[in-house]
Amino acid sequence: EVQLVESGGGLVQPGGSLRLSCAASGFTFSTFWMHWVRQAPGKGLLWVSHIKSDGSVKFYADSVKGRFTTSRDNAKNTLYLEMNSLTAEDTAVYYCVREMGADHRYGAVFDYWGLGTLVTVSS
Amino acid sequence: ENVLTQSPATLSLSPGERATISCRASQSVDIYMAWFQQKPGQAPRLLIYDASNRATGIPARFSGSGSGTDFTLTISSLEPEDFAVYYCQERKNWPPLTFGGGTKVEMK
Repeated sequence: EVQLVESGGGLVQPGGSLRLSCAASGFTFSTFWMHWVRQAPGKGLLWVSHIKSDGSVKFYADSVKGRFTTSRDNAKNTLYLEMNSLTAEDTAVYYCVREMGADHRYGAVFDYWGLGTLVTVSS
Repeated sequence: ENVLTQSPATLSLSPGERATISCRASQSVDIYMAWFQQKPGQAPRLLIYDASNRATGIPARFSGSGSGTDFTLTISSLEPEDFAVYYCQERKNWPPLTFGGGTKVEMK
């Protein structure tokens, strides 16, 4: 069974940093492109970032570019999101998302989502 | 960035009725549109991908259509568990990947 379990969320002050993790199981993590998507309280979905299966290519939304870094450790089946210079606008539930099909076979079709981890940026 | 506009924002219907949700893209996405369902406190669930393909385990009452810039999600006969928020998402013109603003299907 595919499982994605995010952790690392919490309360952080404006300007602070946080690292989110996503532990993957039930599939060959090293062959799947992965994404982060966030959802501010009561709002819609916003794509944050992507990382290729081998970690060699990454894309970011303009709103987080230069502040957030996505990485992965395929030996540990774990996806990361390093977030710096956080502002109140970054307050959201952050979801770890898997693409359907290994090696980008179907493109960015999101078939499995974690339950999310809440990041709250507030003083 | 491709802007996806969903309509209506809210749909008030009764169980058994037909629900039709629209998603219009500012740029053509060919057939590369997906639909998700999200219930309160839950992660989104993939319903439809590439305009009309039902994801694994999705009931046949959910169907998708469209191409280019205009897409529709149809729920043929609403079940009580279908009352939720629905989002469209395109994957042709990325980065960035974009989602629609959401349509809430509420019980009348």
